[in-house]
Amino acid sequence: GAGVSQSPSNKVTEKGKDVELRCDPISGHTALYWYRQSLGQGLEFLIYFQGNSAPDKSGLPSDRFSAERTGGSVSTLTIQRTQQEDSAVYLCASSPMVVGGNEQFFGPGTRLTVL
Amino acid sequence: DAKTTQPNSMESNEEEPVHLPCNHSTISGTDYIHWYRQLPSQGPEYVIHGLTSNVNNRMASLAIAEDRKSSTLILHRATLRDAAVYYCILRGPGFGNEKLTFGTGTRLTIIP
Repeated sequence: GAGVSQSPSNKVTEKGKDVELRCDPISGHTALYWYRQSLGQGLEFLIYFQGNSAPDKSGLPSDRFSAERTGGSVSTLTIQRTQQEDSAVYLCASSPMVVGGNEQFFGPGTRLTVL
Repeated sequence: DAKTTQPNSMESNEEEPVHLPCNHSTISGTDYIHWYRQLPSQGPEYVIHGLTSNVNNRMASLAIAEDRKSSTLILHRATLRDAAVYYCILRGPGFGNEKLTFGTGTRLTIIP
């Protein structure tokens, strides 16, 4: 079956512009996660959705970052007024339920470059 | 969150077994031990997880120490495709423990 898909795969933007990154989770997965990985850095958690609500937004680095999820499916991560430090690979993951043992399935990521 | 400690890098010969260690001395009684790996230019991939007993799946085996303060991921016969960064992650059960907290992991190099 289809895995987690993300679009675009690459995005180059100018400093100060807004960008939207899209994630299509595996059908039927109720939990959705956003992470980012900066060059040479580890993966850091951004936000988590259970259905359409976001119980944990603790990883969003600033109020320029927001995310929404509609229909319990597609999610969009929006970065306003992009800065060069926002350059990173943004990864989305989904899982079928929320317990400590469940695995997360990751997408291929969107590589964002802010010039 | 309870932390894990892994070697920064390891090397192994192709077709040999690989033992990747992880220390987690502050693990709580309900923390699951998860392993993910990240191949070059890809998103992380789930490998295996366990709670107390050793676990086996098609990808690997997970050996958990009796006191649960350490664990070892075992790749039985390494291939070139196993070259990746391997992350050992502790994750509590239930709500409030959904996110994965990645450390720096172990970069595994496979020597042909």
